[in-house]
Amino acid sequence: DTAVSQTPKYLVTQMGNDKSIKCEQNLGHDTMYWYKQDSKKFLKIMFSYNNKELIINETVPNRFSPKSPDKAHLNLHINSLELGDSAVYFCASSQGNKNIQYFGAGTRLSVL
Amino acid sequence: GQQVMQIPQYQHVQEGEDFTTYCNSSTTLSNIQWYKQRPGGHPVFLIQLVKSGEVKKQKRLTFQFGEAKKNSSLHITATQTTDVGTYFCAATAVGGSQGNLIFGKGTKLSVKP
Repeated sequence: DTAVSQTPKYLVTQMGNDKSIKCEQNLGHDTMYWYKQDSKKFLKIMFSYNNKELIINETVPNRFSPKSPDKAHLNLHINSLELGDSAVYFCASSQGNKNIQYFGAGTRLSVL
Repeated sequence: GQQVMQIPQYQHVQEGEDFTTYCNSSTTLSNIQWYKQRPGGHPVFLIQLVKSGEVKKQKRLTFQFGEAKKNSSLHITATQTTDVGTYFCAATAVGGSQGNLIFGKGTKLSVKP
C-alpha cells in the first residue's frame, strides 16, 4: 500500500485554467504539507496543515488554495494557472515533533 | 528568512571515490535531516541528527552534526552507481515553527562507472 499517494502524476494544461491535485496519506499522521520543486530541484514548502488546520502558509500567490477535508487528505487547488507554476508538486506528511517527511511520488505540472 | 546553505551544488565522481556534501546555517539548529532523491523520484528520508557533535553511520554513509549545531555533513565512502541522486539537508531552527523544515538546495551526485 502506498503511504502517501497523490493524483494525478502528470498534469498538462493551458495557461488560465484551474486545476486540482489530490493527496491522501494512510500513515495516520497529523500533519500534511505541499512542496513545490522547480526545475533547479529547489524544494520549497508552500503549506502545512496540522489536524485540518493551516499552520504554515508561505509566501505563495493566493491563486493557490489548500483544502483539508480531514487529516488524511490535503488537496491543492490552483486558479488561473501561469507558466511559472510549472513544477513538480510534492505532498508529504509527518507525525509529532520529529518532522520526518514522507513524500508522495509528486505531480508534474506543465502549463503551456 | 532562515536559510540552509548546501554545497557543492553538483559533484561528479568516479565509482569508488568518496563524496561529501555540506550544510551550513547562520542560526543554531534544533535538528537536521538528510534526504535522498533519485532521478525522477521523490525525496526519501535517510536520517535525523539531534545532538551536538552527533555522528551516525548507515553502511557507507556517515552523517555528522557540528558541535555548534550550525552545520552538518554527509559522507559516502566508495561511491556506487546506486548512490546517484540529489541529497538534501533539511533543518528546523531553534524556536522555529513546528513542521517548517528548511531544505538546502541539494547536491546532485553523478557517479561514472
